[in-house]
Amino acid sequence: DAEITQSPRHKITETGRQVTLACHQTWNHNNMFWYRQDLGHGLRLIHYSYGVQDTNKGEVSDGYSVSRSNTEDLPLTLESAASSQTSVYFCASSEFLGNTGELFFGEGSRLTVL
Amino acid sequence: AQSVTQLDSQVPVFEEAPVELRCNYSSSVSVYLFWYVQYPNQGLQLLLKYLSGSTLVKGINGFEAEFNKSQTSFHLRKPSVHISDTAEYFCAVSGSGGSQGNLIFGKGTKLSVKP
Repeated sequence: DAEITQSPRHKITETGRQVTLACHQTWNHNNMFWYRQDLGHGLRLIHYSYGVQDTNKGEVSDGYSVSRSNTEDLPLTLESAASSQTSVYFCASSEFLGNTGELFFGEGSRLTVL
Repeated sequence: AQSVTQLDSQVPVFEEAPVELRCNYSSSVSVYLFWYVQYPNQGLQLLLKYLSGSTLVKGINGFEAEFNKSQTSFHLRKPSVHISDTAEYFCAVSGSGGSQGNLIFGKGTKLSVKP
């Protein structure tokens, strides 16, 4: 069965370190997204991609970067982790929304920055 | 720009009672509307969606929602809830990418079903 997986599921790091969260989907979807979930804020879009070599900034992109070298993967990098980036991060993918109307979500990566 | 407001952050209800979770949106263009559910320690999964056509949309687990364009609302309802419906529910609207897939989410409503 097709799926979307995130790794690591849990990570603790220190302020100033670089961190990369992996996202891999086997749906062959062109669209991929990174959201962060924080209490009282719901889900906020960090970055998204509509295809290979395409990346776009979302609502809360400062301090984050992504790259899309193939269809399956969209890694999220925190260049210099800050305590404000402690959060649960969700990766999602979709086809053309007008056709399926559905984002498929991974199970999340919980990041703690000390 | 699009935005979503979920009017209740928490909704406690007794088992077998009806429930309505409220969602209002703002957009200057036609939108797609969604409800997602998140069970504890899991990702989000689609409950139902409105793309076009009938304004009453039925989803999984007995939930339904009605798109009301004049009131810019998309409230979620279930006539009789179960303990297993305890979860957080998110309303979402298609973002500036339109039909491409960029969704704007509300802040969520935690539904707590008590025996």
